[in-house]
Amino acid sequence: AQSVAQPEDQVNVAEGNPLTVKCTYSVSGNPYLFWYVQYPNRGLQFLLKYITGDNLVKGSYGFEAEFNKSQTSFHLKKPSALVSDSALYFCAVRDTSHYGGSQGNLIFGKGTKLSVKP
Amino acid sequence: EAGVTQFPSHSVIEKGQTVTLRCDPISGHDNLYWYRRVMGKEIKFLLHFVKESKQDESGMPNNRFLAERTGGTYSTLKVQPAELEDSGVYFCASSQVQAGPMDTQYFGPGTRLTVL
Repeated sequence: AQSVAQPEDQVNVAEGNPLTVKCTYSVSGNPYLFWYVQYPNRGLQFLLKYITGDNLVKGSYGFEAEFNKSQTSFHLKKPSALVSDSALYFCAVRDTSHYGGSQGNLIFGKGTKLSVKP
Repeated sequence: EAGVTQFPSHSVIEKGQTVTLRCDPISGHDNLYWYRRVMGKEIKFLLHFVKESKQDESGMPNNRFLAERTGGTYSTLKVQPAELEDSGVYFCASSQVQAGPMDTQYFGPGTRLTVL
């Protein structure tokens, strides 16, 4: 079965320090991976995705993610954290088990709460 | 361009009552998905429309849930009768069919459903 794991419930970072939010995945076939962010009282906002190509994917708000096939990981990173980055972050993988795979639903991790302190 | 919109933003009902949630996808997006996040757990897939057709409804929890997308535009999700365990946040997302593997699902703000 396809799945996503976010091993940390919460990540605490000081403003200005680099941040990493971890994600590992398990899929059959090619992985299509996504990161979303949910700010308080808001919906999910798309950050970035990996479909194919370069292992380092750049996204919105200065975030990037590194795809590592051998470690089946897709960690989210940012060189310098801001207090405004504090939010709930979700990693997701497209479910390719039903059909075709390109437009299947997303399977989400349980989310990681990022807290950036001044 | 307007994003995905959902109505209402919050609904509080009593057990046994009926509630209907609405989702308006981004214009031109033929894919429409419903998801649910219950009690701080993972966001779980409910079902997927392509235009007005149900492509995949494997995530629907039981027959108390009925989703429709008449005319291939907006969608409704009806819960009848509602139970306590239905409480959670219901998200809608849409994407372009033509995008293929590159498609990104864009989410609405969600409807927070509280069943008392």
